[in-house]
Amino acid sequence: GAVVSQHPSWVICKSGTSVKIECRSLDFQATTMFWYRQFPKQSLMLMATSNEGSKATYEQGVEKDKFLINHASLTLSTLTVTSAHPEDSSFYICSARPVKRSNSYNEQFFGPGTRLTVL
Amino acid sequence: KNQVEQSPQSLIILEGKNCTLQCNYTVSPFSNLRWYKQDTGRGPVSLTIMTFSENTKSNGRYTATLDADTKQSSLHITASQLSDSASYICVVSAYTGTASKLTFGTGTRLQVTL
Repeated sequence: GAVVSQHPSWVICKSGTSVKIECRSLDFQATTMFWYRQFPKQSLMLMATSNEGSKATYEQGVEKDKFLINHASLTLSTLTVTSAHPEDSSFYICSARPVKRSNSYNEQFFGPGTRLTVL
Repeated sequence: KNQVEQSPQSLIILEGKNCTLQCNYTVSPFSNLRWYKQDTGRGPVSLTIMTFSENTKSNGRYTATLDADTKQSSLHITASQLSDSASYICVVSAYTGTASKLTFGTGTRLQVTL
C-alpha cells in the first residue's frame, strides 16, 4: 500500500514551452501533497505544499507564477512548469501524506520522480 | 536554523561487509527522524521512522538508532548487497502543532562492490 505515481517519468521539452507533471496517490487519499526539486548530487528541496481544494503554499524563492500547482482531488496534484528554461532542468519529486488516524508519524510517501530536461 | 548533516558523503564497501552511516541534526521542535533509500533516478523509499521515545528500529538488514539527547542517529547496514548501492538520506521532521516540516540531509552515497 501507500503507492505514489508520477507521470511522465521523464520529459524533454524546448525552451519556452510548458510542461505538466502529475502526481497520484494510487491506494490512499491525500489532502496534502508536496513538490520537491532535486539537482544532481544534492538533496531534495521543498518547492511547495499543495492542499486539496485550496491554493498551494510556496517556499521562499519559488515563483508561484512559474510553477503552477493544482490539487483538484484527494488523489491528484499537478505541477506545471510554465515557460520552461534550461535552468529548470531538474528531477521533480512529489510526495503525499495519507489522511488516516494511524498516520501518527505524519509520514509522506514519495513518487518515483520526473526527470525534466529543457533544451 | 534547522539543519541535518550526514557523514560520510560517500562510501565504498565490499559486498557482504557492514557499514554505518551517521546523521547529526539540529531541528526543533523534533517530531521524528526518518531514513530513506534513494536509488539513482528514483524517489526516496522509507526505511525507518523513529520518534523521540524510540532509540532503535530495524527493517531487515537495516538498523537505525536515535539518541535524542545528543541529536544523533545512525543507520547500520548488515551484510551489504550490491542492491544496497544508493543514496541514504536522513530526514528530520519538526512539528509545530499545526504543521510538520521536513529537513533533509544531503545524503550518503553508498557503493557496494564485488
